[in-house]
Amino acid sequence: SQQGEEDPQALSIQEGENATMNCSYKTSINNLQWYRQNSGRGLVHLILIRSNEREKHSGRLRVTLDTSKKSSSLLITASRAADTASYFCTPFGNEKLTFGTGTRLTIIP
Amino acid sequence: DAGVIQSPRHEVTEMGQEVTLRCKPISGHDYLFWYRQTMMRGLELLIYFNNNVPIDDSGMPEDRFSAKMPNASFSTLKIQPSEPRDSAVYFCASSRQSSPLHFGNGTRLTVT
Repeated sequence: SQQGEEDPQALSIQEGENATMNCSYKTSINNLQWYRQNSGRGLVHLILIRSNEREKHSGRLRVTLDTSKKSSSLLITASRAADTASYFCTPFGNEKLTFGTGTRLTIIP
Repeated sequence: DAGVIQSPRHEVTEMGQEVTLRCKPISGHDYLFWYRQTMMRGLELLIYFNNNVPIDDSGMPEDRFSAKMPNASFSTLKIQPSEPRDSAVYFCASSRQSSPLHFGNGTRLTVT
């Protein structure tokens, strides 16, 4: 099965700054999805980008996808304390969705 | 929409006991996934169902683990007998085909 590998493993920034996380994968995809996990909770879907899209926005989130490099990035602008969480990417090629170890983002007030 | 409902929220049991985790998916979702999360191994896919039929159980660690989906609104994950290394948070998630997953809030299992 394919799964995304997030980089960096951990990231700490000051509130108000932008946070960028990267994702790499190995096989062909139909779409790529980003999820957030707050401590003690289940994952929450953030954004889905299809294989024929290069960029997608949702509020303060911006996702890019480069299928030639098999990579994606998630940008969170104007970070807030509530953005403190783990972030996961998962490439979707068939029915099976698997996850890497995520990026642990800490926003420092 | 009540979301994916898992029970119990916490389970503490002794080694050797049987443990049953429960999941109610979102109505209308035809895919159901069971995941396990630990600090060491991250989020692992154990098994998933499509239209109540198990499609891929290659992630089930060993024969002590079994999962069923008797109908579209209910699934169980059973561990018998349980061992301390089974301690983890177990998540259930559901979705429609090619759509994002909706996760429950998990069951935190502690086996002593």
